Amino acid sequence: SSELTQDTAVSVALGQTIRITCQGESLRKYYASWYQQKPGQAPVVVMYGESTRPSGIPDRFSGASSGNTASLTISGAQAEDEADYYCNSRDISGNHKVFGGGTKLTVL
Amino acid sequence: QAQLQQWGAGLLKPSETLSLTCAVYGGSFSGYYWTWVRQSPGKGLEWIGEINRDGSASYNPSLRSRVTISVDTSKNQFSLNLSSVTAADTAIYYCAREHTRCDSNSCLNWFDPWGQGTLVTVSS
Repeated sequence: SSELTQDTAVSVALGQTIRITCQGESLRKYYASWYQQKPGQAPVVVMYGESTRPSGIPDRFSGASSGNTASLTISGAQAEDEADYYCNSRDISGNHKVFGGGTKLTVL
Repeated sequence: QAQLQQWGAGLLKPSETLSLTCAVYGGSFSGYYWTWVRQSPGKGLEWIGEINRDGSASYNPSLRSRVTISVDTSKNQFSLNLSSVTAADTAIYYCAREHTRCDSNSCLNWFDPWGQGTLVTVSS
């Protein structure tokens, strides 16, 4: 089992807002990063730190962190946002990296 | 803009050693950690380990006994060796560049860019 916990699957209506969460004790100390992975493709970073969005990532993606939870919000979800989303951070020792189990996002 | 290109054997028999190499084109090789991640069929991402240009490496505790990551700074390449493979090691293996920022209170890491991925199948 992963030290970072994510919901297995979530869904959102087209144009609505969805929040994807990642929980773990290490998140009280270390920031998370978020990755979007579409079928047959390598992951792509969409958010890192509190709320830093890499260039090229639409501004409908935003991030937040509080206590042991990091979140990725998609405001006005689009069909192309349908993908698997993974969080990543350090483990509780701080010496290794760990991924959450991933959340499959379906846009209805 | 850095690009990562990876290669290695795609079909192995049980007990053999998996060997993959990732070449870094463009950008600096210094100041980053270089990472391997894998994804079993239909499963999530698993961090394997990382290395910097000085050869300082860290490994996933669950794989540590079988993993070696090495670096060749003369070629801007880094490599993954995983010994004694079994069917459970069948996965897509990705290399990635890891960015790190730390202050007195915390650290932030992210992976960008990623290699194209290499499917490694272990079968007798």
